[in-house]
Amino acid sequence: GAVVSQHPSRVICKSGTSVKIECRSLDFQATTMFWYRQFPKKSLMLMATSNEGSKATYEQGVEKDKFLINHASLTLSTLTVTSAHPEDSSFYICSGRAGGNNEQFFGPGTRLTVL
Amino acid sequence: EDKVVQSPLSLVVHEGDTVTLNCSYEVTNFRSLLWYKQEKKAPTFLFMLTSSGIEKKSGRLSSILDKKELSSILNITATQTGDSAIYLCAVPPGTASKLTFGTGTRLQVTL
Repeated sequence: GAVVSQHPSRVICKSGTSVKIECRSLDFQATTMFWYRQFPKKSLMLMATSNEGSKATYEQGVEKDKFLINHASLTLSTLTVTSAHPEDSSFYICSGRAGGNNEQFFGPGTRLTVL
Repeated sequence: EDKVVQSPLSLVVHEGDTVTLNCSYEVTNFRSLLWYKQEKKAPTFLFMLTSSGIEKKSGRLSSILDKKELSSILNITATQTGDSAIYLCAVPPGTASKLTFGTGTRLQVTL
């Protein structure tokens, strides 16, 4: 299957700082990228959907000013957690989708810990 | 509201047992149902089901969709400790490209 990478895999930051997570599709062009959040022992919760070159569509309850998403190219999307708080600590996973296919290819995830 | 529910939420079996995991859905304009396995990191794709009654098989894993019952099952035969994971099913709701994930089933296979 297609490969998606995420960077960093793990990040620890202080409260109030901003953290940027990168998601790259390595061997395909991801016309759509998705950002998920996963709490321990819970399922994936979709945060937002982003299409290359346009603004992201956020799910209900997700603050767009807090979680800034940029999808500047067909192979790169970034999620910036602004003014991070301890409750933002979570596992963030991105996925990429090529064209009209329903299948999404997931990145390995980024574990964010906010102190 | 679109909904995907999995059962059981968790399951502990002995190596060699056969398990059946369930996924039921309520979505508008059903197109497909996907199964994923999640170990320590991100989910890995198992199956995509679009047609009712046609079994998809990969080694000891198999899955089938029942559109009448709005459900799918994932079977794992002769389970091994390496099958221990969270199994997620997901459905794209309506015409959206996003996925709605189920609650997941946490499977633990013991020796």
